[in-house]
Amino acid sequence: QSALTQPRSVSGSPGQSVTISCTGTSSDVGAYNFVSWYQQHPGKAPKLLIYDVNKRPSGVPDRFSASKSDNTASLTISGLQSEDDADYYCCSYWGSIYVFGTGTKVSVL
Amino acid sequence: EVQLVQSGIEVKKPGESLKISCQGSAYSFSNYWIGWVRQMPGQGLEWMGFVHFSDSETRYSPSFIGQVTVSADRSINTAYIQWSSLKASDTALYYCAAALHGTARWDYWGQGSLVAVSS
Repeated sequence: QSALTQPRSVSGSPGQSVTISCTGTSSDVGAYNFVSWYQQHPGKAPKLLIYDVNKRPSGVPDRFSASKSDNTASLTISGLQSEDDADYYCCSYWGSIYVFGTGTKVSVL
Repeated sequence: EVQLVQSGIEVKKPGESLKISCQGSAYSFSNYWIGWVRQMPGQGLEWMGFVHFSDSETRYSPSFIGQVTVSADRSINTAYIQWSSLKASDTALYYCAAALHGTARWDYWGQGSLVAVSS
């Protein structure tokens, strides 16, 4: 099973919006509505941002939104803030296990 | 508050065995899956294996079959991952994470266990 494909990096100025894509196959992203997204700051454990394609756990700002179309999922960060500068990973259910994306570095300029 | 507490830094030599732990505190994880994640230096996240706390069912990512063993001890709310013969390439940060059975949301994460393997 190969990792899901994400852009290596995206950047934006404070207040702008950025979108991260996550491309899989009809066996993972395209097959299940079990896509989640995680934020990881340097030296910290990952944090759940989105689950079941587009649901936010309590405490996650509504600046974070997500969607899925066919084999590609997307995470949008609206109104970028300095604390959004981090790595982001998508994750999909695949049969009985899970697979992560390659990861995207979001830089707030 | 739910917490996953992992064992600390390990420095090992190639060929040695290792077992690291992940203990749930202040909560019973009996209906949870525990997943183990590898993060090699400067690299991304990789799922390694999964264990269900209630019945100890295990699942492995293809790349890690035969490389590691995951297990759980429900009586002490602790999950484990172990290596029988470490390699230098096992040097990494390892995280455990928990998801309620039937969901795909990995809500809880341990702080990470650093493993360094060098001769």
